Amino acid sequence: GIQVEQSPPDLILQEGANSTLRCNFSDSVNNLQWFHQNPWGQLINLFYIPSGTKQNGRLSATTVATERYSLLYISSSQTTDSGVYFCAVGYGGATNKLIFGTGTLLAVQP
Amino acid sequence: SQTIHQWPATLVQPVGSPLSLECTVEGTSNPNLYWYRQAAGRGLQLLFYSVGIGQISSEVPQNLSASRPQDRQFILSSKKLLLSDSGFYLCARAQTEVTGELFFGEGSRLTVL
Repeated sequence: GIQVEQSPPDLILQEGANSTLRCNFSDSVNNLQWFHQNPWGQLINLFYIPSGTKQNGRLSATTVATERYSLLYISSSQTTDSGVYFCAVGYGGATNKLIFGTGTLLAVQP
Repeated sequence: SQTIHQWPATLVQPVGSPLSLECTVEGTSNPNLYWYRQAAGRGLQLLFYSVGIGQISSEVPQNLSASRPQDRQFILSSKKLLLSDSGFYLCARAQTEVTGELFFGEGSRLTVL
């Protein structure tokens, strides 16, 4: 099956710093999403990005499908950015099933 | 807007007891629905998905079952809970008419003692 690897597994930042999270996947996919899991466990949709680049405020994401990786950029980090960031890739055609990576645990310190 | 409700939010159950977790979706018809589990640690694992009423596909062998009695209702059940069933259960829907993007409910946290 498809393998999804995220790096780094853990990241500690000072408030205001920038960071890049990486997601590698082992096969062609028809969907790629980035999520932020908040301290209460809720999964917040950040980007739906099977290819190309998108930006939303301080966050942006780029997926290079031909090279099987995606990057999530966080600029000017804030303490509220803390939590776990998941990359998930879609397979199974119209069934839209997602395989999740193991996540990056981000802690932003004031 | 399309909303996903999960109930109950938290649950503590003894080993061997039954389980029923409910997921209801508003604002859409005939959605693909999914049950995921997040055990201790971070990974989310797909347990079941459904493309319509009465249509259930299981992704992993386990002690749980799923049912879809109505278009917008997805239920996760067990006849006898195991300690290993503890975890955070998330229901999701796919926005199939536009994209394959998945949206998740707020989750149900189950502790089996």
